[in-house]
Amino acid sequence: DAKTTQPNSMESNEEEPVHLPCNHSTISGTDYIHWYRQLPSQGPEYVIHGLTSNVNNRMASLAIAEDRKSSTLILHRATLRDAAVYYCILTLVPGAQKLVFGQGTRLTINP
Amino acid sequence: DAGVTQSPTHLIKTRGQHVTLRCSPISGHKSVSWYQQVLGQGPQFIFQYYEKEERGRGNFPDRFSARQFPNYSSELNVNALLLGDSALYLCASRLGALNTEAFFGQGTRLTVV
Repeated sequence: DAKTTQPNSMESNEEEPVHLPCNHSTISGTDYIHWYRQLPSQGPEYVIHGLTSNVNNRMASLAIAEDRKSSTLILHRATLRDAAVYYCILTLVPGAQKLVFGQGTRLTINP
Repeated sequence: DAGVTQSPTHLIKTRGQHVTLRCSPISGHKSVSWYQQVLGQGPQFIFQYYEKEERGRGNFPDRFSARQFPNYSSELNVNALLLGDSALYLCASRLGALNTEAFFGQGTRLTVV
């Protein structure tokens, strides 16, 4: 499995945009990039996924570098409810059953 | 609609005992996966079942086993419990084998003493 590298922690302020980076320099041409987040005392929650093009949904945007060696999850306007651990995961197929979670990035939102 | 439900939410077991954890997927979902999350780490994949057949297994000892029932609910069994089995056990369901989005339950917190 290709590895991902994320900062251990990040901090931001409420109502400001947040950019969460993920490095995946060994990504293969067919690896999909997924983001999940885990709020305190809850199971992980799907956020977004993509392959090559930038993606938007109601929760966030995913910006993928042209060489695909890195990606950034963008929360456009953070709220206190966005405080969570964010995981960047690579899979060979979009519906791969095995998700390989790393340590993730713990995001703190200041009021 | 109910999400993924797991039971029990918490339990305490003694070393050497056996435990059974249960998971009910979202209605209509046929794929169930199990994960173990040790405190401070990300979840680790244990098993995946689809249409009552095992489709994937992580790097866990044979003390761990699972099954999926005709109604697509699932059980995770762990024999000869060790202190190191203390963790949050998460169940995730998907609509089908190839669906992207996994829906996780809130987990069962197992403490082995």
